[in-house]
Amino acid sequence: LAKTTQPISMDSYEGQEVNITCSHNNIATNDYITWYQQFPSQGPRFIIQGYKTKVTNEVASLFIPADRKSSTLSLPRVSLSDTAVYYCLVGDRPTTSGTYKYIFGTGTRLKVLA
Amino acid sequence: ETGVTQTPRHLVMGMTNKKSLKCEQHLGHNAMYWYKQSAKKPLELMFVYNFKEQTENNSVPSRFSPECPNSSHLFLHLHTLQPEDSALYLCASSQERREGEQFFGPGTRLTVL
Repeated sequence: LAKTTQPISMDSYEGQEVNITCSHNNIATNDYITWYQQFPSQGPRFIIQGYKTKVTNEVASLFIPADRKSSTLSLPRVSLSDTAVYYCLVGDRPTTSGTYKYIFGTGTRLKVLA
Repeated sequence: ETGVTQTPRHLVMGMTNKKSLKCEQHLGHNAMYWYKQSAKKPLELMFVYNFKEQTENNSVPSRFSPECPNSSHLFLHLHTLQPEDSALYLCASSQERREGEQFFGPGTRLTVL
């Protein structure tokens, strides 16, 4: 299973762009990179997923270099409501069933200040 | 609303009690998951069900007993728990063989006295 490493916490101010980098040196060829957001006492919520280069949706962008050993989640113009824990995940598929399985790390606690 | 519901949202039980957590997904998915999230610890995957068959048991103690009667419902039966089992228990579902998105329920906050 590929392990991920990301900063424990980050602070930002409203209106700024926030970039959270995740390291996954042992990523496998078939693995996708997925980011989730979690608010206190709630389940995680999918933000974005990518395999290589750049992916953008209405919420965030995901930048993945050619070697795929790291990725960067970019949140444009954050607001106070973006204060949450952000998880970088690299999945692994058990060979017996094909069900996709994630290992969650400690995540990055983002605090957005006014 | 994610399409995954969990009941109860809060549960307090003694160590000798037997209780069950319920999860229901309205998304037509065929894979369901139980996770445990303790204070200041990462989410821990407990069980995975794929088409009602258990495909993963991450060395979970037998005092936790999952049940998946169909692809839409998942239960976690609890008995003789310990105080250290107090945590947020999260259910999730996904479409089997589809990379990525798991949809999580709001969780059940369990306190074991």
